[in-house]
Order: sequence, then structure tokens, then C-alpha cells
Amino acid sequence: DTEVTQTPKHLVMGMTNKKSLKCEQHMGHRAMYWYKQKAKKPPELMFVYSYEKLSINESVPSRFSPECPNSSLLNLHLHALQPEDSALYLCASSQDPVGDQPQHFGDGTRLSIL
Amino acid sequence: AQKVTQAQTEISVVEKEDVTLDCVYETRDTTYYLFWYKQPPSGELVFLIRRNSFDEQNEISGRYSWNFQKSTSSFNFTITASQVVDSAVYFCALSEAEAAGNKLTFGGGTRVLVKP
Repeated sequence: DTEVTQTPKHLVMGMTNKKSLKCEQHMGHRAMYWYKQKAKKPPELMFVYSYEKLSINESVPSRFSPECPNSSLLNLHLHALQPEDSALYLCASSQDPVGDQPQHFGDGTRLSIL
Repeated sequence: AQKVTQAQTEISVVEKEDVTLDCVYETRDTTYYLFWYKQPPSGELVFLIRRNSFDEQNEISGRYSWNFQKSTSSFNFTITASQVVDSAVYFCALSEAEAAGNKLTFGGGTRVLVKP
């Protein structure tokens, strides 16, 4: 079982809906990440939170809004998504936001936009 | 800018055969870290190994082994006596010590199919 838990596992939503993806880790990690992965492609980094502060936004459209309520939780709020946003959304965490730290991933949320 | 290339998009083997996955990287940093991840159909990326740029020792873990050659900028991964459970997509990734936020650059991935 993964130590990074993502909910829901699957989500189908319309383009006008608002929904949220949730990620939780209890390893005491201080860096958390959101990735987007399209089929047969590698994960693409979206956001990095370091010590509960947003440190990297990879020019992600504003219809994706991240939130880090505390050191264990990471949310991704979705609003007015487009069909091309359908993908696997992966959350990850690492001990610290430094390059030698392996990232530990959750199972992901498979998102479909109708 | 950093780059990771996995030239093999898909490899198909029969159980018990060995399979080697190639990974070539580019970076300007002198200090960097290389990773391999496994992604089974369930979706989760499973961390397999980290190697730093100062340590060129090869490593073996069970049926897995890794060959790091700085002279050719390669970090290859071999699965010995493959099993059906090894079927997955494998990603090689690079992070640089100077880069902020532990950004990983992934290769395109190699899909391994092990047939019984």
C-alpha cells in the first residue's frame, strides 16, 4: 500500500463543475507535489509546496488551484476544466524539497472531463 | 537544460529472460541525482533507486541491477530472470542539486511486457 493517499481514485465531471482532489501523507514530509500524466507520457510537474508554501507553479492554468491546509494535506481545486484536462493526476511527497530526496507517489486520481 | 532519454519505448520478453532498459541523460550540473521509478497498471509510481553523481558504484538489489557510467552519461537498469509481475512502465529521472524545489525531469518511459 502506498503511503501517499489520494482521493477520489476516479472522477468524472462536466466542464462547469467544481471539484477537488485530495492528497494525504503521514510520513512527516515537508515537500508535496502535483503532477499531471497523460496516457503513454511521463508525469509533468504542476505545483510544488515546500514547508506548506507554494514554491513552484509550472505555468498551470488558473482553472487548477492548489491548496496546502497543513503539512499532511494537499488539495487541488478544479473549476471550468476542459476536455484536454482529462488525465491521471498524481500527488507525491518527499522529506525535503531538495534534489537528492526521492519522491513518493500516490495511486493517482483518474479524471475525465465530459 | 537537463534532459533524459529512454530510447526504447516498449520491450517484450518471455518470462525468465533478462531485460536491460537504457537511460541517457544531459545536465550541466556537476552534482545531480538519478532515479528509476516503476509504474504498474495501477498508476502509482514506485521508487526503485537513487544514485548521486559522485557514486559510480553499480548496485544490485535482488533481480534488479543498475549500471551508472558517468563517461557515457548513462544509467541503465537490468531485470534478471524477468517475471510477469515486472510488467510495467519504467521511468528514469534526473534532478539537479542547484534546481529549486526538487524538480524531476523524466524520460519518456519504457513499457516492459513480460509474457508467461
